[in-house]
Amino acid sequence: ETGVTQTPRHLVMGMTNKKSLKCEQHLGHNAMYWYKQSAKKPLELMFVYNFKEQTENNSVPSRFSPECPNSSHLFLHLHTLQPEDSALYLCASSQTRGGSGANVLTFGAGSRLTVL
Amino acid sequence: QKEVEQNSGPLSVPEGAIASLNCTYSDRGSQSFFWYRQYSGKSPELIMFIYSNGDKEDGRFTAQLNKASQYVSLLIRDSQPSDSATYLCAVKDSGGSNYKLTFGKGTLLTVNP
Repeated sequence: ETGVTQTPRHLVMGMTNKKSLKCEQHLGHNAMYWYKQSAKKPLELMFVYNFKEQTENNSVPSRFSPECPNSSHLFLHLHTLQPEDSALYLCASSQTRGGSGANVLTFGAGSRLTVL
Repeated sequence: QKEVEQNSGPLSVPEGAIASLNCTYSDRGSQSFFWYRQYSGKSPELIMFIYSNGDKEDGRFTAQLNKASQYVSLLIRDSQPSDSATYLCAVKDSGGSNYKLTFGKGTLLTVNP
């Protein structure tokens, strides 16, 4: 496996279900991200982990619960979601650069979530 | 609220023409700017990043940055049908975070054979 892999690629769940999205990066990067992509909206940053420590939580509702057991794996636990949470959830990773340096993101293929 | 604005398009150009994609941003202190390409049903992939005012060229792609005008653009020379995709402009926030990028909604480019 190379790059950033996400599973499952498609998920349909009811509002009372509990499910998890999984992401794994094989790039040796130290930072991992969850983004949400909805139709007609910009990519929205949800969470960032750096060396498995959460560094950003972009005011995400608690029905989304991230977990980062190590620098290579990232999960997004989902429970009691709403239909408006239906979207493409993208995982990304980057190698952090300090100062004014930028983090180039490598995205996974995404998990398409439908909440009924 | 930091914003990145792009014309949603669609921008339609004939094969072989120059496609010009534009982006303005509100965060005056931003220092790093990115262009990502996203094919339909696929994830975004980086095309170029630029930090300094002026032009940066990579093959058929040229990124142009004007920090005074808070404007960044992407030129695609000799456009090919395979360039048809949505192009996302992203700007690194100037605040303390080293991780926050603000994305535009993207411009849909169609290159007609």
